[in-house]
Amino acid sequence: AQSVTQLDSQVPVFEEAPVELRCNYSSSVSVYLFWYVQYPNQGLQLLLKYLSGSTLVESINGFEAEFNKSQTSFHLRKPSVHISDTAEYFCAVRNTGTYKYIFGTGTRLKVLA
Amino acid sequence: SQTIHQWPATLVQPVGSPLSLECTVEGTSNPNLYWYRQAAGRGLQLLFYSVGIGQISSEVPQNLSASRPQDRQFILSSKKLLLSDSGFYLCAWSVGSYGYEQFFGPGTRLTVL
Repeated sequence: AQSVTQLDSQVPVFEEAPVELRCNYSSSVSVYLFWYVQYPNQGLQLLLKYLSGSTLVESINGFEAEFNKSQTSFHLRKPSVHISDTAEYFCAVRNTGTYKYIFGTGTRLKVLA
Repeated sequence: SQTIHQWPATLVQPVGSPLSLECTVEGTSNPNLYWYRQAAGRGLQLLFYSVGIGQISSEVPQNLSASRPQDRQFILSSKKLLLSDSGFYLCAWSVGSYGYEQFFGPGTRLTVL
């Protein structure tokens, strides 16, 4: 069955330090991959997505993620975090032939001053 | 542009009372619609999804039900709420067969006492 694993439930990091949030998925078919961000008491906002083509995708606010098919991973990285990046981050996967999205349990990123 | 509305924003209900949460999408036609529940520390749980009027797929057997009376309206209901129904309920939509990412509403915080 399809699943998404986010191994880190919480990640504390100091401001201006780099961060990596890990995401691994299991699927036997082609997938679309997504990272969403959620601020307290709000809905989820799309951060970036991998559909096809270049395996490295970037967001407008400095995040990037790399699709690694052999490792079945889609880790999220940022070279220098800001206080405003404090939020919960969700990885999601959707098989190309379905309408269902499977989400990980989320990683709470806390940026410390 | 497309927008998604959910109401109410917050709700406090006694155990055994009925529930009706509404979600509407504007600016698109024939969207795929989804209901998720988010419990603390447990990520997003897909409850129902619909790819057309009157079509509902249920993912988790429980005391909740969903209906889609109009193309862009999705309703989540219960006849008798349980304590375990407390959580943050999110509605989302994606675009038809070619839709990639999902777009989320602002959510409804339900507390069952």
